[in-house]
Formats: sequence, structure tokens, C-alpha cells
Amino acid sequence: KQEVTQIPAALSVPEGENLVLNCSFTDSAIYNLQWFRQDPGKGLTSLLLIQSSQREQTSGRLNASLDKSSGRSTLYIAASQPGDSATYLCAVRVNYGQNFVFGPGTRLSVLP
Amino acid sequence: EAGVAQSPRYKIIEKRQSVAFWCNPISGHATLYWYQQILGQGPKLLIQFQNNGVVDDSQLPKDRFSAERLKGVDSTLKIQPAKLEDSAVYLCASSPLRLAVNNEQFFGPGTRLTVL
Repeated sequence: KQEVTQIPAALSVPEGENLVLNCSFTDSAIYNLQWFRQDPGKGLTSLLLIQSSQREQTSGRLNASLDKSSGRSTLYIAASQPGDSATYLCAVRVNYGQNFVFGPGTRLSVLP
Repeated sequence: EAGVAQSPRYKIIEKRQSVAFWCNPISGHATLYWYQQILGQGPKLLIQFQNNGVVDDSQLPKDRFSAERLKGVDSTLKIQPAKLEDSAVYLCASSPLRLAVNNEQFFGPGTRLTVL
């Protein structure tokens, strides 16, 4: 059974810092991995989707990497801003056509 | 393009009462998902529809939860009777094709349920 963990559970940093969020999964046989952002009281917003054949994806100040063999993904946020404060969730897609298995999330606070 | 719509946004009920949630996916999206997100946890899939057929409902507590998508468009999720542990945010998501490996899921704002 696929399990997804995220470390740290919570993180507080001053504005302008570069930071890394970690995601680990137990079964390396994944089809893709997706990073989401969730603001309080809101739904999930997709940030980056990495296919199993890819090593990384970039969007603006965000860069996500994937190492399938070790069961790890990282989300790198450059030059953090207070507006980046949210919970960040990673989710892996285990099988063709199946849904995602989500991690518990990392709650990020960027202090002005 | 309009996003996934959900209603109500908030609902407070007493245990043993019934409640229903509604979801309207993005136009043209064949696949619809209902997730339960308990505070401090990631979303857990309850049920997945492909058009109006059920693809996966293995984690749906069928003794009290039911869902339907009769015309392959919008969907309702019902809880009857509710328990305290059902307090959670219920998220609806949709995606354009089930069999596309690279399809993304698009989420609605969720319905926050509180059971007293």
C-alpha cells in the first residue's frame, strides 16, 4: 500500500529565504507526482505535475524534483514571500487511471 | 473557464442527521472525484466516477455514505446518518480523461462539515 509522508509538518521562515519541502513515498512504481497548494478554507490549487519519466519541473519561483528510485520529491521555493504562506501537499498517482494518494502536507508561514 | 463548483460551503448538523453536498465539475470533464479531508491530514478518496459510472468506491463507508452522478455531469454526496468523526472538508475534483497518464485534477473550494 502506497504511503506518502511530508517533512517538516510545519515551517516558518523570514521573507526572502529559499526553502525546500520534502515528500517521500513508499512505492517507487508511480505514474506521476503532483504538488498542490491549499489556502485556509480553500480547495487545492495545482502547482506542478511531474511525470514518472521526468526529473524536475519548474514554474516561476517553484522547482519540483523527482527521484523515483529513492521515493522522494522536493519542492524548492526561491525568494519566499508572505503570499506563499499556505499548506503544501504532494500526491502520487500509483497506477494508470487511478487516483492520487496524498501526503499530510507541510504548513508554511513566511514572515514579513 | 469556470472551475469546479461546490455547495454549500459550510454546513453544521447534529449527529444522526442527514446532509447532502453538491458538485458541478468543469465542463467536459469525464472524471469526478469526492475526497474527505480531516483536519491536519491530506485528502482521502471516497469515490471516483467515470461519466456516470463508479470506478472506485473502495474507501466509501457505504453503510452511511452514498454518491451519485446520474447524468454524468454534476454529482451529490450524501451522509445518513452523520457521526462526529464525519466532521471534515469534502472536496470535489474533476479531470478531463481517466486514462490519460498526465491528466491533472482540478479541485473545488470544498464543503466544511461540522457534526455536533
